[in-house]
Amino acid sequence: QQQVKQSPQSLIVQKGGISIINCAYENTAFDYFPWYQQFPGKGPALLIAIRPDVSEKKEGRFTISFNKSAKQFSLHIMDSQPGDSATYFCAASMRETSGSRLTFGEGTQLTVNP
Amino acid sequence: NAGVTQTPKFRVLKTGQSMTLLCAQDMNHEYMYWYRQDPGMGLRLIHYSVGEGTTAKGEVPDGYNVSRLKKQNFLLGLESAAPSQTSVYFCASTKTGTGQYFGPGTRLTVL
Repeated sequence: QQQVKQSPQSLIVQKGGISIINCAYENTAFDYFPWYQQFPGKGPALLIAIRPDVSEKKEGRFTISFNKSAKQFSLHIMDSQPGDSATYFCAASMRETSGSRLTFGEGTQLTVNP
Repeated sequence: NAGVTQTPKFRVLKTGQSMTLLCAQDMNHEYMYWYRQDPGMGLRLIHYSVGEGTTAKGEVPDGYNVSRLKKQNFLLGLESAAPSQTSVYFCASTKTGTGQYFGPGTRLTVL
């Protein structure tokens, strides 16, 4: 059962544009929602994360928007750069139970054209 | 501070052979995890550990075993490798309430 659904599978954006990746979850017990960035041949790296008591979190050009009632969250990359080209994964976990296990979305391959 | 390291980086096995993947972390994290990553399927949890001496099954545990004899190390074993276990394997660690930190991965091919 896929508990975290991510879309789109791939995304092409022009330099300077806004990249938007969406995720939806099913389990209302999830209380931690991180995004990971992965470059080819490397391990995923934590990019930004949000907890459900806030609706938005911003770090530099990266923003998470969180809609608890809709059980959806999204990653916005402002002023997208070619160096942002990577695969992005959303995830969700229940921090205090289940050993902080993460359930991942299937990933979005982002290409930013110069 | 090396973070999470994995040994080896690459390995080719024949069907039926066995091997052990080693994960080490120097961040004093309680929790450790083994994932496999296959094209189009994201990251799937194989086994995990919430502390030294403990292990638990994840989503796809069949064909794998694990051990956590020391807090800083988490071993993943394949007793009899199958072509379906060809994948990239990632180890990760965390402490409660923070994100997981991943190693660089091990690319395994089973012929």
